[in-house]
Formats: sequence, structure tokens, C-alpha cells
Amino acid sequence: NAGVTQTPKFRVLKTGQSMTLLCAQDMNHEYMYWYRQDPGMGLRLIHYSVGEGTTAKGEVPDGYNVSRLKKQNFLLGLESAAPSQTSVYFCASSLLTGELYEQYFGPGTRLTVT
Amino acid sequence: DAKTTQPTSMDCAEGRAANLPCNHSTISGNEYVYWYRQIHSQGPQYIIHGLKNNETNEMASLIITEDRKSSTLILPHATLRDTAVYYCIVRVMGMRFGAGTRLTVKP
Repeated sequence: NAGVTQTPKFRVLKTGQSMTLLCAQDMNHEYMYWYRQDPGMGLRLIHYSVGEGTTAKGEVPDGYNVSRLKKQNFLLGLESAAPSQTSVYFCASSLLTGELYEQYFGPGTRLTVT
Repeated sequence: DAKTTQPTSMDCAEGRAANLPCNHSTISGNEYVYWYRQIHSQGPQYIIHGLKNNETNEMASLIITEDRKSSTLILPHATLRDTAVYYCIVRVMGMRFGAGTRLTVKP
């Protein structure tokens, strides 16, 4: 099992450019999440999905869009990147069965917007 | 959502027990307490979780007070590799990670 993988690992964008971050999991998890982590801060939830074809907003959704067309994949899009979106982006997945709410995280994508 | 409060940083001597406190005074009766840690810039790693009773696994022990308003994560024999930021989280949809406690294990 690869667990949770993220593509790409690093990216530099210019202001106004767009990009898509890919998250993939091979654990057959229903729930998937996108977080961002700014320097010295904790993680903040951007969007999440409770199953294929469904998405919902988290704490900081503005400027991002997501799609969950396949159960194993969760895409995060930036339509017009801004310097404020410079951050490390983490994807996570989890089962939601009773108390089994352990989240498994990917290695992160470091994004710089100039 | 229940809010958690943790000390900003703590030090611990290698081989000693590390006791990391967390206050969650507004926790609801059906909310679990979760602990994660983040080593350097890696993705967070699950450690342990509990509801009412104390819990133990191969990584740590979790002590939850009877009124559930606070908890303590115990790493029984801290090693240098336990140096990390430790997050105490009360479960909501998509974990709310605060700033956590930066634990430094010293030789």
C-alpha cells in the first residue's frame, strides 16, 4: 500500500496562474481532506469530501475548488493563484466507522506563488 | 466546536517520560480526543485517541480526566525521534489543528 500520495511535491507559480494538486489514496477510504499549513501554524481545513461525487467547504475554502470524481482521488484547484496561497498543502483520508476516525496524511505539496 | 489549549513548547530529557497536557473544557459528551504529531515538515501522524477511559498503545498513553475537560498524552520513554509538534484535537469533521505543543527531547 502506498497510502496517501500527492502530486507534485513542489511547485512555483506566478500570480494569476492556475494549477491542480492531485491526491490519491489506495486504502478505499470514504473521506478525503485538503489542508493548508502556513509557516509556524497548525493545519487549516480547505475542503473535504465524504464520498465520490461529493465535496464540502472547510474553514478556508476561498480561492480553491475541489473535485472527487473517483473515490481514490481528490483534486484541489487554484484558478488564479495569489501570494497569500503560498503554503504547504496536505491531503488526508479516513474511514468513518464509529470511532475509527484516524486520518492518514500525505507528504505534502510545497507551493510558492510569486 | 470544542476548543483545545496546549502549552506552546516543552522540553524533555531523553529516556524520561514526556507528559503533554491539553485543556478542552467545552468538549461534548460524544466527542473524542485525538492526538497527532508532526515531525519536521512531514504530514501529521496519528498517535492515539480516547473518549472517557484511559488508553494505551505501542506509542503512547492517553489519560483523560473524569470530567473530560482535560487530557494528558504520555510518551513513556522519550527518544530524540519524538521531537515534534504534538496536536491535541477534539474530533469534528476534518480535524481542527491548533498550533500544538513543540516538544524537544534533549540528550
